[in-house]
Parts: sequence; structure tokens; C-alpha cells
Amino acid sequence: KAGVTQTPRYLIKTRGQQVTLSCSPISGHRSVSWYQQTPGQGLQFLFEYFSETQRNKGNFPGRFSGRQFSNSRSEMNVSTLELGDSALYLCASSLGRFEGQETQYFGPGTRLLVL
Amino acid sequence: AQSVTQLGSHVSVSEGALVLLRCNYSSSVPPYLFWYVQYPNQGLQLLLKYTSAATLVKGINGFEAEFKKSETSFHLTKPSAHMSDAAEYFCAVSGRNYGQNFVFGPGTRLSVLP
Repeated sequence: KAGVTQTPRYLIKTRGQQVTLSCSPISGHRSVSWYQQTPGQGLQFLFEYFSETQRNKGNFPGRFSGRQFSNSRSEMNVSTLELGDSALYLCASSLGRFEGQETQYFGPGTRLLVL
Repeated sequence: AQSVTQLGSHVSVSEGALVLLRCNYSSSVPPYLFWYVQYPNQGLQLLLKYTSAATLVKGINGFEAEFKKSETSFHLTKPSAHMSDAAEYFCAVSGRNYGQNFVFGPGTRLSVLP
């Protein structure tokens, strides 16, 4: 079974621009979570989607948004990029939100550099 | 609220020595516990997980972890370190209630010296 895929793998943007990252979960997985990883802050939870609905959200500004499609693929968008948004963005998928379905499997990440 | 602490942001061991990475959690009910490993420029790979079956959990690459409720700990061990074990290791906790999210520890970077 194919793992979690993320595109693109690397991205360079300038301040003020916006960016969209894509995540395809493992086949059959319905829950997708996004994380931001930086050397200073570690792994921080951005949001989780299940059945096309955002179920949980971390403590990030409204510039960070996402969505999930009917095939469980997810996108996250960051508008008005700031230098501090430079990070590795990780997507993780799991079967669902019920007990026994919680194990998260991670993609390789998208490394975003904001200049 | 759940939380995870990992004692030691950087641990160095000699090749062939015991690896011990510490993880303590805070949770109002026994949670699910996980260890992930991250190699440079890669995503996180699941090493092992505890979901209330056996308290001693065996994972991939010779790693194992023991859940100790009385100590609220889930330390990761490997009897003999290999150079390829050099990576960053994350402990994570997830609640048992519907939809509770993962909370990750800050990570421990493991260096293996020849």
C-alpha cells in the first residue's frame, strides 16, 4: 500500500505570497492532520480534517487554512507569507477518529523557505 | 490536557552500547503512546505504539518500550546501538476519547559514536 505523499517536496516563496501544499493519505485513511516543524518550536499541530470537515485546530493565525476533499486528499494554504513560516510541513493520515484508528502515518513533508 | 516530556534534547552513545531515551506523559486517563523516529530531511516513521495490550512493546529495528503507569513513563530502549540509529526520536501521546489529537514531545537527538 502506498504511503502518505506530499507535494511539492520543496518550495521557495517570498514574503507576502501565498502557498498551497497538498497531501494524499494512505488509501482507506479518512483523517488527515497537518503539523509545522521548526528547530525552535518543534512539532506543532495545525489542524485535522475528517470527512471533509475540520475537527480540530491548533494555535495558528487565520492565515493558515486547509480543506479536505471527498477522496480524503487534503490541502493546506498559507496566505501572506512571513519569514517565520519557513518550516517543514508534515501531513499525517490515520484510519479515522475512533479508538483503534488513531495511529498516524506521516508523509515526507514539504520544506517551505520564505525569503 | 495531555503533555509529553522527553528528558535530554541530545543523547550520545557509543556503537554497541545501550540506548535509553526517556519519555514521561501527563494524562488524566491511560493514553495511547507512540515513538516515532525522524531521519534528516524525512518525515516521521512509527517505531512502536502502546494501546493497552502488553506493557512491553516491541517495535522495528530492535527497539522496545515499556509502559509504566505508576511512573507515567514510556521509555525507549535498544540493547545495542548501531550507527544507523542516529536520528531524532519523538514520543507522542493520544487520548482514548473520540478525536483527541496527538501531542508530541520536543524530541531527543540520538548520536551514535564509533
